[in-house]
Amino acid sequence: EDKVVQSPLSLVVHEGDTVTLNCSYEVTNFRSLLWYKQEKKAPTFLFMLTSSGIEKKSGRLSSILDKKELFSILNITATQTGDSAVYLCLGGTSYGKLTFGQGTILTVHP
Amino acid sequence: SQTIHQWPATLVQPVGSPLSLECTVEGTSNPNLYWYRQAAGRGLQLLFYSVGIGQISSEVPQNLSASRPQDRQFILSSKKLLLSDSGFYLCAWDQREAYEQYFGPGTRLTVT
Repeated sequence: EDKVVQSPLSLVVHEGDTVTLNCSYEVTNFRSLLWYKQEKKAPTFLFMLTSSGIEKKSGRLSSILDKKELFSILNITATQTGDSAVYLCLGGTSYGKLTFGQGTILTVHP
Repeated sequence: SQTIHQWPATLVQPVGSPLSLECTVEGTSNPNLYWYRQAAGRGLQLLFYSVGIGQISSEVPQNLSASRPQDRQFILSSKKLLLSDSGFYLCAWDQREAYEQYFGPGTRLTVT
């Protein structure tokens, strides 16, 4: 059975801190790893990673995939209160199915 | 650009009543379509996915059903709702070769 495990499950930081969210996966016919941000409503897409070692960046967020060790990290630098959300990691197969991690709840205090 | 719509945004229904949630996608053709449910305090669970008109795959046996009457329309239904059907229902789409999924705004269903 495919499995995606995120850690930590929750994290509380102060504005300006840097955080690292972890995601390990065991997905048969793995094709891609995806990160989403969910704030009370529908998840919004952040990154899709298919190749090892290539960092993807978007503003203060960055992510990288290690296909040998089967994990990914999501970094957020200089956190802001608006970064407070649930961050979801998903493993995608070559035929389009997604397996969801349980999510990391990030709370950023002013 | 592509957009995905869901309605209604919120719904309160009594136990035993029927359900119909609708999802439509604009700006793309022949998408894969998905229905997910997020129960309170829990992760997202894939309920159904569809790769084309009339083609539905069910991931979890339950009293829900899905239909795809048109290329960009996906409907989630139930004949008789249970209390356990309460949750946040999300529709998503992706393009066959891309695999990053985009979610609709969701429907919050409360069964009383």
